[in-house]
Amino acid sequence: EAGVVQSPRYKIIEKKQPVAFWCNPISGHNTLYWYRQNLGQGPELLIRYENEEAVDDSQLPKDRFSAERLKGVDSTLKIQPAELGDSAVYLCASSLGPDYNEQFFGPGTRLTVL
Amino acid sequence: AQKITQTQPGMFVQEKEAVTLDCTYDTSDPSYGLFWYKQPSSGEMIFLIYQGSYDQQNATEGRYSLNFQKARKSANLVISASQLGDSAMYFCAMREYVGDSGAGSYQLTFGKGTKLSVIP
Repeated sequence: EAGVVQSPRYKIIEKKQPVAFWCNPISGHNTLYWYRQNLGQGPELLIRYENEEAVDDSQLPKDRFSAERLKGVDSTLKIQPAELGDSAVYLCASSLGPDYNEQFFGPGTRLTVL
Repeated sequence: AQKITQTQPGMFVQEKEAVTLDCTYDTSDPSYGLFWYKQPSSGEMIFLIYQGSYDQQNATEGRYSLNFQKARKSANLVISASQLGDSAMYFCAMREYVGDSGAGSYQLTFGKGTKLSVIP
C-alpha cells in the first residue's frame, strides 16, 4: 500500500515568490492534515480537512497561505508571497478517521526562502 | 504553560540497553490522548504508541511502552533493547478538546522533541 506522497521534496525560492506543495493521502483516508515544522521544533497544524471540508484552519496565516482539497482526495498548500520566515518543512498527513487518530505522515517538503 | 514538555534535548544509549524519554503534559480536558512519534533523518513522522487518558493499563507496542503516570501528568516512552535504527528524533504529542462542548474541536500539540542516539 502506498503511503502519503508529497512533492516536491525540496524547494528553494526567493522571497516574495509564490510556492505550492502537493499531497496525495493514503487511499480511503478521509482526514488530511498540513503541518509546518520549524527547525528544532515539533510540527504545528496549519489546516485539517475532513473530506473536502476544512474543519480547522485557525492556525493558517490566511493573508498569504491558502489550501484546497478538491474532491476530497489530494490537496495543495500555497504560499503567496513567501517570506523568509516561511522556511520550514511542510508535512502532510492523513488518517482513516477524524481527530488525529493513527496519522500517517508523508516525507515532507523542505522549503528554503532566500 | 507549555502543553507538552520534553526536557531532554538529546539522549545517548548503548545498543541493547533500555532508555526512557520524558514527557510531561498539561491539559484541563479529562478525555485526552497521548502519542509518541519517531522522526528519522529522512523526515517522515512515524506513529509509535498511543495512550488514552482513561486507559487503565500502560500502552505497549513491541519494544515500546508508555509509562503513564496520570497524577503526575507524565507519559514517558520506554524503548527496550535499543537498536542502531532507533537513532532519531522522538516527539510526544497530546490531543485534547478545546472550546465549549459541541462547539470546539480536537487539537494536537507536539513537544519540541528529544534526539536519541544509539551507540554501538
